[in-house]
Amino acid sequence: DIVMTQSPDSPAVSLGERATINCKSSQSVLYSSNKKNSLAWYQQKPGQPPKLLIYWASTRESGVPDRFSGSGSGTDFTLTISSLQAEDVAVYYCQQYLSTPYTFGQGTKLEIK
Amino acid sequence: EVQLVESGGGLVQPGGSLRLSCAASGFSFSSFWMTWVRQAPGKGPEWVANIKHDGSEKSYVDSVRGRFTISRDNAKNSLYLQMNSLRAEDTAVYYCARAKWNFDYWGQGSLVTVSS
Repeated sequence: DIVMTQSPDSPAVSLGERATINCKSSQSVLYSSNKKNSLAWYQQKPGQPPKLLIYWASTRESGVPDRFSGSGSGTDFTLTISSLQAEDVAVYYCQQYLSTPYTFGQGTKLEIK
Repeated sequence: EVQLVESGGGLVQPGGSLRLSCAASGFSFSSFWMTWVRQAPGKGPEWVANIKHDGSEKSYVDSVRGRFTISRDNAKNSLYLQMNSLRAEDTAVYYCARAKWNFDYWGQGSLVTVSS
């Protein structure tokens, strides 16, 4: 199984500042058929299901604010929130979908400083 | 508007069975892979199983293979998860989600509690 490891666990960022969450996979998640990385990012708020933010490592889901961006390749990926808003307080998960079982990171709980 | 509504959760004793259902609307259900994802209390999500749009392909996480069965009825726009031989570690909120790989729509979830 591909193990997904996120860091940091619980960052605190000031409103308006940049927030960065890292995700590392235990092996490359590059999908050979389209040369894209099979990596998604989700946001989860209390009592709600996860919400898809980013897929193919850097493609923003429709309706997601452009302050959210994804980058990285191979085994190392980053979710960046360019200017943190109060409504961005949530737990964020990365997920690989290169091979089953599709696995998630342990989560990063983003808080306001 | 895409909607996914799970039902069938509840309290069950270890070794018991439950059948979860997911009613889909607002999209062409028969054209999409569908997935079950669960989330234990205080933990991250865990992919459980998925099924191809026509039901011809299914995959499971090792921990449920042989105990859980995913199925669908395209005529009823419904997805199912039959869960047998339930264990305490199966306690979780079970979500149905659209698509095979990255999940763009999720239901609100159905809580399954396995306890004596």
